Amino acid sequence: QVQLVESGGGLVKPGGSLRLSCAASGFTFSDYYMSWIRQAPGKGLEWVSYISSSGSTIYYADSVKGRFTISRDNAKNSLYLQMNSLRAEDTAVYYCARSVSSGYSDYWGQGTLVTVSS
Amino acid sequence: SYVLTQPPSVSVAPGQTARITCGGNNIGSKSVHWYQQKPGQAPVLVVYDDSDRPSGIPERFSGSNSGNTATLTISRVEAGDEADYYCQVWDSSSDHQVFGGGTKLTVL
Repeated sequence: QVQLVESGGGLVKPGGSLRLSCAASGFTFSDYYMSWIRQAPGKGLEWVSYISSSGSTIYYADSVKGRFTISRDNAKNSLYLQMNSLRAEDTAVYYCARSVSSGYSDYWGQGTLVTVSS
Repeated sequence: SYVLTQPPSVSVAPGQTARITCGGNNIGSKSVHWYQQKPGQAPVLVVYDDSDRPSGIPERFSGSNSGNTATLTISRVEAGDEADYYCQVWDSSSDHQVFGGGTKLTVL
């Protein structure tokens, strides 16, 4: 069965960096687009970034462009999110999700909490 | 950027039909997807491409999309359907995945 397991969240000071990972299993990882989606405490879902199956196409939300970098390693069945220059408003649960070409995410991990606070 | 508008809350009695709307400019020209999220859990896809259901999702969940409004319909509502529901589209003009603000479904 499809499994997505995020890791790497934690407490970081404003201006700091963090790298999130997502380990995928139960499907051919290299065949699928992948996304990061976040949810601030008590708030709705916010799309963060998207990467094509080969990694050749990448998109970012305006709120993170220039600060976050999405990448993947198909040999390791892993997705990453490098987050730099973190701000308090980046505090959220970050979900890794498998995505398809028509733009929806059919499987989600359980999420990892990132807290940006001094 | 493209905006999706959902009512903050919808209430319905058990056994009745719940309709959750998602408004957007000419949304009928886009594929709309719906997610269910229960407290403390990750979202689950319940409808994709306007009206298709993933395997394992009950037939009670259905979707439609036309004009400026997409609708998620939940028939014969059960207590276990109480959750937040989000609509979502891919905005090809900005290459962004866009979510609605979410609707809290309360089963009375």
